[in-house]
Amino acid sequence: EDQVTQSPEALRLQEGESSSLNCSYTVSGLRGLFWYRQDPGKGPEFLFTLYSAGEEKEKERLKATLTKKESFLHITAPKPEDSATYLCAVRMVSSASKIIFGSGTRLSIRP
Amino acid sequence: SAVISQKPSRDICQRGTSLTIQCQVDSQVTMMFWYRQQPGQSLTLIATANQGSEATYESGFVIDKFPISRPNLTFSTLTVSNMSPEDSSIYLCSVGGTGEAQPQHFGDGTRLSIL
Repeated sequence: EDQVTQSPEALRLQEGESSSLNCSYTVSGLRGLFWYRQDPGKGPEFLFTLYSAGEEKEKERLKATLTKKESFLHITAPKPEDSATYLCAVRMVSSASKIIFGSGTRLSIRP
Repeated sequence: SAVISQKPSRDICQRGTSLTIQCQVDSQVTMMFWYRQQPGQSLTLIATANQGSEATYESGFVIDKFPISRPNLTFSTLTVSNMSPEDSSIYLCSVGGTGEAQPQHFGDGTRLSIL
């Protein structure tokens, strides 16, 4: 069964304390992996797409990486405004459009 | 990316009633998607809506409960029928996501509470 698992469920960091969020997947052929940020009361906001193992994407304090079994979202020197839920989603080769979401990581950055 | 507007943004409804949620996009799109996000949970796809054809429903979701319309390339509606407290969720519309692993983009959702 195709599955996306994120860990940890929740993460509390001090401002400036770097860390990583994990997204592991078991799918029958990966077509693309997506990272989203979701703030309370808002829809998911697209951050990155990763297509193949070894690929990396960066945006401000965030860097996403991809291996054959998992993806990491590294956050460097986070600020309180980085507090949000981060969602990982995958699209399989077998699906033209459907994506499967993980359960998300709730990130809280204390000033 | 497309700008997606949903109406209403929130509502409180009585059990047994129905509510229609609207999704408007500022550009023409081929595929629109409807998701449910239950409290504290991630997103679950309800159905995919293509213009000019019947919506495709995911396992566990049926047309009688969640009828969908897609009258043109910029608009769709999702109706939540005969509501019960278990239908209390956020309902989200998204667009895009076809082609070479293009991402989907989301509206801000409709927060629905059933009393």
